Amino acid sequence: NAGVMQNPRHLVRRRGQEARLRCSPMKGHSHVYWYRQLPEEGLKFMVYLQKENIIDESGMPKERFSAEFPKEGPSILRIQQVVRGDSAAYFCASSPGLSYNEQFFGPGTRLTVL
Amino acid sequence: DAKTTQPPSMDCAEGRAANLPCNHSTISGNEYVYWYRQIHSQGPQYIIHGLKNNETNEMASLIITEDRKSSTLILPHATLRDTAVYYCIVRVASISSGSARQLTFGSGTQLTVLP
Repeated sequence: NAGVMQNPRHLVRRRGQEARLRCSPMKGHSHVYWYRQLPEEGLKFMVYLQKENIIDESGMPKERFSAEFPKEGPSILRIQQVVRGDSAAYFCASSPGLSYNEQFFGPGTRLTVL
Repeated sequence: DAKTTQPPSMDCAEGRAANLPCNHSTISGNEYVYWYRQIHSQGPQYIIHGLKNNETNEMASLIITEDRKSSTLILPHATLRDTAVYYCIVRVASISSGSARQLTFGSGTQLTVLP
């Protein structure tokens, strides 16, 4: 059973470009979480999604950031018009929901904004 | 979710037991204690969780005090690969559909296993 997959593992963007980060949850998992870890800081929750629904986006910046988890395909975290402060490691986690609450994390995408 | 307090760093000799403490004095009756770890640059890894009783799995043991205000994660025979930041997290573990919740990570404890 493959774990949570994220791609790309490393992404370099210039200021003003768009960044798209993908997350494929573990098989059978319908809940996806995105976290951000700024350099030398702890992980911060961004958004929680179920298939086709955003459940909690309280940690998402108000502008430029969006997330989706379509019926088919991976979850996407999209950052428009990136700035240097967006440089961070972005981790996706998934869980089966219902009685299971452990979250299983992917390897992360390291975004560098030049 | 209740706040947790952990020492910022600890050392442990390879092969010895590593005991990582966590204080959660404001924990509520329906909140679980979770432990995750993050090995440098990798995604966090679930270790163990518990409510009242002590728990053990293939990775570690979790000892929760009777008043539930503190707990200890025990790695029985630490290896160099156990060097990581260990996070103690307290949160409600809901079982109803659609109510799984975010994890709130603090600063954690940097455990360094020494050869």
